Amino acid sequence: GAGVSQSPSNKVTEKGKDVELRCDPISGHTALYWYRQRLGQGLEFLIYFQGNSAPDKSGLPSDRFSAERTGGSVSTLTIQRTQQEDSAVYLCASSLGSGLGYTFGSGTRLTVV
Amino acid sequence: AQTVTQSQPEMSVQEAETVTLSCTYDTSENNYYLFWYKQPPSRQMILVIRQEAYKQQNATENRFSVNFQKAAKSFSLKISDSQLGDTAMYFCAFMKQLGATNKLIFGTGTLLAVQP
Repeated sequence: GAGVSQSPSNKVTEKGKDVELRCDPISGHTALYWYRQRLGQGLEFLIYFQGNSAPDKSGLPSDRFSAERTGGSVSTLTIQRTQQEDSAVYLCASSLGSGLGYTFGSGTRLTVV
Repeated sequence: AQTVTQSQPEMSVQEAETVTLSCTYDTSENNYYLFWYKQPPSRQMILVIRQEAYKQQNATENRFSVNFQKAAKSFSLKISDSQLGDTAMYFCAFMKQLGATNKLIFGTGTLLAVQP
């Protein structure tokens, strides 16, 4: 597609439920990133996929968080047993290569009640 | 570890005037990239400008320019002829040139309000 597409745009869930956030990167972009942005704060790195290499999961805050990227394209970020502190905007970005900067999606605003 | 610091949480400027947003970073790397991103209320992160550390010439994109001082580890953004559409959160970001993960490290942002 023309840009990075994320769905849903907004998600409200009850504490303890699982959620899945989807990211569809720009066609041909081999790198895909997930970031978390808490209210009024900067972006916090979560996970990085590059081609067929093993993902860099060093930013995932707990084992409740996981992500996969199928076929080198669409990615899903899953948060299990959501907690109120998981409330944030989750941003996905893709890139052609290092140093070129990322193209971001519009994010998913997750609210855990 | 690399860190990025934006010491101005909020800034305000009159339309058509010039404003400078500050950013400093800490790294032991010699080659890296620096970026400024804009985030309007729509949440979309938009790349404003990028700078390669090995280039001494400051990057410029239309009304946006940077003052890159490598020795001082400073990377400020100047917005000339400010427009109402420039109102947004601005993030400074750092990326190592080499490494298994080319992840962007962001500052905490500066909220810029352009006043009519």
